[in-house]
Amino acid sequence: DIQMTQSPSSVSASVGDRVTITCRASQGISTWVAWYQQKPGKAPKLLIYAASSLQSGVPSRFSGSGSGTEFTLTISSLQPEDFATYYCQQANNYVLTFGGGTKVEIK
Amino acid sequence: EVQLVESGGGLVQPGGSLRVSCAASGFTFSNYWMHWVRQAPGKGLVWVSHIDSDGSTRAYADSVKSRFTISRDNAKRTLYLQINSLRAEDTAVYYCAKEGRYRSMDVWGQGTTVTVSS
Repeated sequence: DIQMTQSPSSVSASVGDRVTITCRASQGISTWVAWYQQKPGKAPKLLIYAASSLQSGVPSRFSGSGSGTEFTLTISSLQPEDFATYYCQQANNYVLTFGGGTKVEIK
Repeated sequence: EVQLVESGGGLVQPGGSLRVSCAASGFTFSNYWMHWVRQAPGKGLVWVSHIDSDGSTRAYADSVKSRFTISRDNAKRTLYLQINSLRAEDTAVYYCAKEGRYRSMDVWGQGTTVTVSS
């Protein structure tokens, strides 16, 4: 199976900060990556698909980039509602896998 | 409104079985692949299984293969996950999700909790 290694596992940031989360795939997966946001006690929410396509209704401060084995999710100006855990997911393989998650905490 | 509602979770003894369900509404259920994803307490998301639109193709994570069975009833707009030989490590919230573009999951249910304990 394809492994997705996400870093950092947690990050402390302030409102207005730029935050970047990285996901590395164990083999090349083109742009078959999605990103999700999850808040405590809630279901995940799709933010980005195909590595860089913004899901409808998601604020434009969220962006994704990358191809092959390296992918990033960037929050350009962190807002109070963005404090959450973020997950990447590879969709290149028949068997899907998620990264371990990155918790974005208030500094 | 596009919606998925899971049900059927509960407390089960080790070695027991359970079937969780996911009722879909607001979209043409029979057109979409569907997924199950689980999350153990305090842990990350783990993909469990998927099924294609007519139920002819299924796949499972290695950790659940041979114990879990995914199925669907398109007439009832419902997705199922049969879980057998339950272990403590199967304790988790089980989410169903609709497949979106590029094999992302664009609609999620609220989850149903399965607890395996004696």
